[in-house]
Amino acid sequence: AQSVTQPDIHITVSEGASLELRCNYSYGATPYLFWYVQSPGQGLQLLLKYFSGDTLVQGIKGFEAEFKRSQSSFNLRKPSVHWSDAAEYFCVVLSGGSYIPTFGRGTSLIVHP
Amino acid sequence: EPEVTQTPSHQVTQMGQEVILRCVPISNHLYFYWYRQILGQKVEFLVSFYNNEISEKSEIFDDQFSVERPDGSNFTLKIRSTKLEDSAMYFCASSRQSGANVLTFGAGSRLTVL
Repeated sequence: AQSVTQPDIHITVSEGASLELRCNYSYGATPYLFWYVQSPGQGLQLLLKYFSGDTLVQGIKGFEAEFKRSQSSFNLRKPSVHWSDAAEYFCVVLSGGSYIPTFGRGTSLIVHP
Repeated sequence: EPEVTQTPSHQVTQMGQEVILRCVPISNHLYFYWYRQILGQKVEFLVSFYNNEISEKSEIFDDQFSVERPDGSNFTLKIRSTKLEDSAMYFCASSRQSGANVLTFGAGSRLTVL
């Protein structure tokens, strides 16, 4: 069965600092990969996705993520964090065998001024 | 931008009561989903729905749960006799197709069972 690991429950960064949120998945085939963000009181908003092609994908709000097959990872990055980026971030995996997206546990991002 | 709408945003109920959570998916989407997130835990898949029937469901989706698309626009999740452990945020999502496609989520309905 597919699984998604987000090893960091909380991450605290200062505004303006760079950010990397980790995501690892496990299963055999190349999956379809997503990052969603949930701001307080809001729904789950798609930041970016990877289906195929260029392994570095750009998303909204200045986020990017890189698919590394050798590491089974799809880490989310942002060069300079803004206070409004404080939210819960979910890595989501969808395999070819099951078209049901599987969520990681989420990483809560705290931004200090 | 089209969005998925969920009501109510928060519902408090007594254990044993029936609850119906409502969702209005994006109008040209064909696949519908319910997920839930118990506080502090992962977002878990409950059920997917296509062509007026359940296409896939998880172990969580037992006989206490049912889904329906009663009028071609609403997509509902019913919990027949709520338990304390049903307290969670319930997310509805829809997509235009299955497979490599993006799910659009609603803002969620928070259910509190006392």
